[in-house]
Amino acid sequence: NAGVMQNPRHLVRRRGQEARLRCSPMKGHSHVYWYRQLPEEGLKFMVYLQKENIIDESGMPKERFSAEFPKEGPSILRIQQVVRGDSAAYFCASSPPGHSRVLYEQYFGPGTRLTVT
Amino acid sequence: GDSVTQMEGPVTLSEEAFLTINCTYTATGYPSLFWYVQYPGEGLQLLLKATKADDKGSNKGFEATYRKETTSFHLEKGSVQVSDSAVYFCALSYTGANSKLTFGKGITLSVRP
Repeated sequence: NAGVMQNPRHLVRRRGQEARLRCSPMKGHSHVYWYRQLPEEGLKFMVYLQKENIIDESGMPKERFSAEFPKEGPSILRIQQVVRGDSAAYFCASSPPGHSRVLYEQYFGPGTRLTVT
Repeated sequence: GDSVTQMEGPVTLSEEAFLTINCTYTATGYPSLFWYVQYPGEGLQLLLKATKADDKGSNKGFEATYRKETTSFHLEKGSVQVSDSAVYFCALSYTGANSKLTFGKGITLSVRP
């Protein structure tokens, strides 16, 4: 069973360009979380999605950032008009669907390291 | 809001030394607590977890006990190995539909032969 896949692993963008980060969850998982790790910082929650739905985007910056998880295909984190402060490692994690009273482990991908020049 | 505080790092130990990494939390409810490990260039892996007060999580020689009275979840290992060199994150989340994790800043552990 393949783990969580993220691509690209490394992405370089100039200021003002768009960055698209992809996350393919583990087989059978329908919940995806995105986290951002700034240099010398821990991971910060950004957004939680289920298939075709954004459940919690309380950690997303109000502008330039968006996320989707379509019925088919990977989850996409999109950053428009990138700035140097967006340089970070972006991780996604997936978990299976299930009962609301159960705690399900999140499985993390290897991350995408975004560098804005 | 919820938060997780980890001791300042980095930590450098000799092989076979005893390890303690401190973690305390502030929570509005009754969270589950986790330790994640991140090896260089990789994503996070769950090391251990505890879901309620007084639970002890353990894995690969690492242990942590959920202490509600001190709001702590300190990570310990009796004898570290070079292969334990990594970044360690303490985190919390809640049971339910939205299990987003709140992380501490992480601490880098280096173990020298």
